[in-house]
Amino acid sequence: DAKTTQPPSMDCAEGRAANLPCNHSTISGNEYVYWYRQIHSQGPQYIIHGLKNNETNEMASLIITEDRKSSTLILPHATLRDTAVYYCIRSGDSGGYQKVTFGTGTKLQVIP
Amino acid sequence: EAGVAQSPRYKIIEKRQSVAFWCNPISGHATLYWYQQILGQGPKLLIQFQNNGVVDDSQLPKDRFSAERLKGVDSTLKIQPAKLEDSAVYLCASSLWDSLTGELFFGEGSRLTVL
Repeated sequence: DAKTTQPPSMDCAEGRAANLPCNHSTISGNEYVYWYRQIHSQGPQYIIHGLKNNETNEMASLIITEDRKSSTLILPHATLRDTAVYYCIRSGDSGGYQKVTFGTGTKLQVIP
Repeated sequence: EAGVAQSPRYKIIEKRQSVAFWCNPISGHATLYWYQQILGQGPKLLIQFQNNGVVDDSQLPKDRFSAERLKGVDSTLKIQPAKLEDSAVYLCASSLWDSLTGELFFGEGSRLTVL
């Protein structure tokens, strides 16, 4: 049970912002939202994570709604190298250890 | 900083044969994960170690899969005997696990083809 819902695929024009939504309506108070991406034939790569506040790093921005039931990953200026599968994950302390369960993700295609 | 190392990168075997995959996590990372990724699907957790103890192996097919993490560092994942449906990429990941920096670092994976 991945416990997050993402659209299976999205397209984005090169140079434009890519906005990837994620629904996590049953998230609990101690669970973070993590985003990873997986480029073809590579292992998943960490992008960003957050708890309540919006977060930004050199790769992306994460916008979490006030009720924490959904979030959006923003790639501000998508390039062809951003074509990948993006995974939104809930993760937190699960009885003393971190449980990380992947869903099926969103396949982002950046179009020239 | 060296990343997560996995070997072999590719392995082709016939069904009913055995295979073993090796993982060396990032130095100092207490948590080690093995995931199975079938083509077109997201990674599925097989087993998770905290230091050298197992904390989650609920989805590991224990009749044919086994894993160990000796001395809390390297880990091996074994399949014996392999089935056709075991064809997948086996991903190893490690993490420090604290509430602020719990990101997983993945290796490049070991691609298994069972004929």
